[in-house]
Amino acid sequence: KAGVTQTPRYLIKTRGQQVTLSCSPISGHRSVSWYQQTPGQGLQFLFEYFSETQRNKGNFPGRFSGRQFSNSRSEMNVSTLELGDSALYLCASSLWEVNNEQFFGPGTRLTVL
Amino acid sequence: DAKTTQPTSMDCAEGRAANLPCNHSTISGNEYVYWYRQIHSQGPQYIIHGLKNNETNEMASLIITEDRKSSTLILPHATLRDTAVYYCIVREIRNAGNMLTFGGGTRLMVKP
Repeated sequence: KAGVTQTPRYLIKTRGQQVTLSCSPISGHRSVSWYQQTPGQGLQFLFEYFSETQRNKGNFPGRFSGRQFSNSRSEMNVSTLELGDSALYLCASSLWEVNNEQFFGPGTRLTVL
Repeated sequence: DAKTTQPTSMDCAEGRAANLPCNHSTISGNEYVYWYRQIHSQGPQYIIHGLKNNETNEMASLIITEDRKSSTLILPHATLRDTAVYYCIVREIRNAGNMLTFGGGTRLMVKP
């Protein structure tokens, strides 16, 4: 069974631009969560989707948004990029609404210049 | 979710047991202890979880003290591939949500 895939793996943008990152969960998984990882702040929860509904949201500004499609694939969007948005963005999938084990993808490395 | 405290870093000799401690003194009765690890340049990987009994799987053992205020993750025979950051997470399994709150973790270096 294929793991969680994230595209693109690397991305370079400039300040003020917007970006869309994609996550394909493991087949059959319906829950997708997003995390931001930076050297300064560590791993921080962004949001979680289950069956196309946002279930939880972390403490991030409204520039960060996401959605989930009927096939469970998810996208996150960051508008008006800032230098501080440079980070590794990780996606995790799990089977149900509440799970003990979550499966993380390799991440998308975003660099904002 | 309760807060956890872990040492910043630890070393372990290859082939020896690695014992990673975690303090969670404010843990409540319905909160579980989870362990994940993150090998460099990869996403985190689930290791094990427990409520109050000791748990063992093919990767590790989890020892939780009787008062549940601390726990230890044990890698019985550490290999170089176990070099990673290990995160101890305390989490309440609620009706909704898979959110994980990561702390700083312990950077384990397994040395030959």
